[in-house]
Amino acid sequence: DAGVTQSPTHLIKTRGQHVTLRCSPISGHKSVSWYQQVLGQGPQFIFQYYEKEERGRGNFPDRFSARQFPNYSSELNVNALLLGDSALYLCASSFPITYEQYFGPGTRLTVT
Amino acid sequence: AQTVTQSQPEMSVQEAETVTLSCTYDTSESDYYLFWYKQPPSRQMILVIRQEAYKQQNATENRFSVNFQKAAKSFSLKISDSQLGDAAMYFCACTSGYALNFGKGTSLLVTP
Repeated sequence: DAGVTQSPTHLIKTRGQHVTLRCSPISGHKSVSWYQQVLGQGPQFIFQYYEKEERGRGNFPDRFSARQFPNYSSELNVNALLLGDSALYLCASSFPITYEQYFGPGTRLTVT
Repeated sequence: AQTVTQSQPEMSVQEAETVTLSCTYDTSESDYYLFWYKQPPSRQMILVIRQEAYKQQNATENRFSVNFQKAAKSFSLKISDSQLGDAAMYFCACTSGYALNFGKGTSLLVTP
């Protein structure tokens, strides 16, 4: 079975631009979570979606938004990019009734 | 809010030896789950082991085992018969809902 997939692998953007990151969960998983991992730190929770509804949101500004589609894939959008948004963005999927989350390979975003 | 502390930024172990990585956590929840994830240079977070807080028995997965001390809020990972492929960042995480709360990680070096 395929694991969690994310696209693109790497991305370079300029300050002020907008970016969209994509994630496809493991088949059968209905919940998708997004995390930001700054170099040298552990991942920080951004969002979790289940059945297209937001279940939880971390301490991130409104520039960050996400959505989940009927096929359970998800997009993370970041507007008005700042240099500090440079990070590895991780997507994780899970069954709705378990706490185990399985991660994708991540998208490395560099903001210049 | 939950916090996770990993006090060892780096650890080193010789091949075939045993190493223990430390983790302490703080939570006001009575029902929670604890995890250890491994992140090799390839960046993908891999679930190593999980522990339900309501279970007294320590979890074991092949060469990986945990020492869960609930009263002390301690959750250490023991790696037996260390292999070169065990070299990675190891993150301890805690959740009682949708968000995984991670520590800052421990970098494990395995020497031949």
